[in-house]
Amino acid sequence: QQQVKQSPQSLIVQKGGISIINCAYENTAFDYFPWYQQFPGKGPALLIAIRPDVSEKKEGRFTISFNKSAKQFSLHIMDSQPGDSATYFCAARGGGADGLTFGKGTHLIIQP
Amino acid sequence: DAGITQSPRHKVTETGTPVTLRCHQTENHRYMYWYRQDPGHGLRLIHYSYGVKDTDKGEVSDGYSVSRSKTEDFLLTLESATSSQTSVYFCAISGPRGGGGYEQYFGPGTRLTVT
Repeated sequence: QQQVKQSPQSLIVQKGGISIINCAYENTAFDYFPWYQQFPGKGPALLIAIRPDVSEKKEGRFTISFNKSAKQFSLHIMDSQPGDSATYFCAARGGGADGLTFGKGTHLIIQP
Repeated sequence: DAGITQSPRHKVTETGTPVTLRCHQTENHRYMYWYRQDPGHGLRLIHYSYGVKDTDKGEVSDGYSVSRSKTEDFLLTLESATSSQTSVYFCAISGPRGGGGYEQYFGPGTRLTVT
């Protein structure tokens, strides 16, 4: 049972455009929703995270939108740059020290 | 990589041999995790630890064991490696930060090939 579904699998965006990656979850006990960025050969790097009591969080060009009733959240990358080309993972965590449940990832390519 | 090192970074081993991967942190964080990453699966939790000698199973724990005798070290052991355990293994750490967040930070990974 996949508890976090991520889409699309791959995405091509023109430089300067908006990249949008979506995730949906099933477990209402999840209380923390991070996004990770991963470059080839590297470990995932925490990008931005949100808790369910907030509907939106913005850090620079990166914004998370969160819809608790629909059990969905998304990552928006504004003014996308070639350096943003990477694989992005959404994740969710249950209460306490539980590990993260990850989506399967989105391979993002920003074309110059 | 948030003060996390993993060793070895690459390893090739034969089916049936034991393998131990090491994760070392310098952040003095309480929680440590082992994940595996496979194409099309994202990252999946193998085991985690919430303190010295305190560990628990994750989603894909079969065939793996862990130990944590010191805060800074978390070992993952494959008792008898199989080809299905060919993967990239990531260690992660987390601990309370300002505001009570439990952000997880990942190490550089170990690429394990079982032939």
